[in-house]
Amino acid sequence: GQQLNQSPQSMFIQEGEDVSMNCTSSSIFNTWLWYKQDPGEGPVLLIALYKAGELTSNGRLTAQFGITRKDSFLNISASIPSDVGIYFCAGRSGTSYGKLTFGQGTILTVHP
Amino acid sequence: KAGVTQTPRYLIKTRGQQVTLSCSPISGHRSVSWYQQTPGQGLQFLFEYFSETQRNKGNFPGRFSGRQFSNSRSEMNVSTLELGDSALYLCASSFGDQETQYFGPGTRLLVL
Repeated sequence: GQQLNQSPQSMFIQEGEDVSMNCTSSSIFNTWLWYKQDPGEGPVLLIALYKAGELTSNGRLTAQFGITRKDSFLNISASIPSDVGIYFCAGRSGTSYGKLTFGQGTILTVHP
Repeated sequence: KAGVTQTPRYLIKTRGQQVTLSCSPISGHRSVSWYQQTPGQGLQFLFEYFSETQRNKGNFPGRFSGRQFSNSRSEMNVSTLELGDSALYLCASSFGDQETQYFGPGTRLLVL
């Protein structure tokens, strides 16, 4: 089945630093999504990518849909304490009704 | 517009019992997907419903079932609960199956 490898598994950074995380897949996806999850809550959508090569920003967040359609990355610039949480990538193929395949998550800790 | 709501938020059951979880999608959304989240397996797709029809199913035993009503609200049922069913169950809704999914806060199920 489809597998998503997300790295790094965890990051400990100082406030103000930039952060980069990525996902790679063994299969092609036609949609990449990035979510953030806080403890005890559901994932919240950060950025959605629908086209290979697409680069999209949302405030301090920037994400790209890899040209091979098998990878994506998320960058966070000038991190702040409220960026703490778990970040997930998710991919969707064109034939999978409703099914998102998720990465294992990146746990981000920001020290003030 | 109200987000995805899930009830109950927390549930404690014992092995062998059965449980029903409810999900109300965002108004106008017709696709509802369910996921199981555990520390070991991460986020795993259970099934997806659209217009009262199950269109996709993940690799879970038949003890896991669901349904969708004409108002797009969905329920999932787990029969003969096992300890390993303890998890956060997340519901996500979207306008169509290829549209962005928005998650509810989840129902945390503990099986004793």
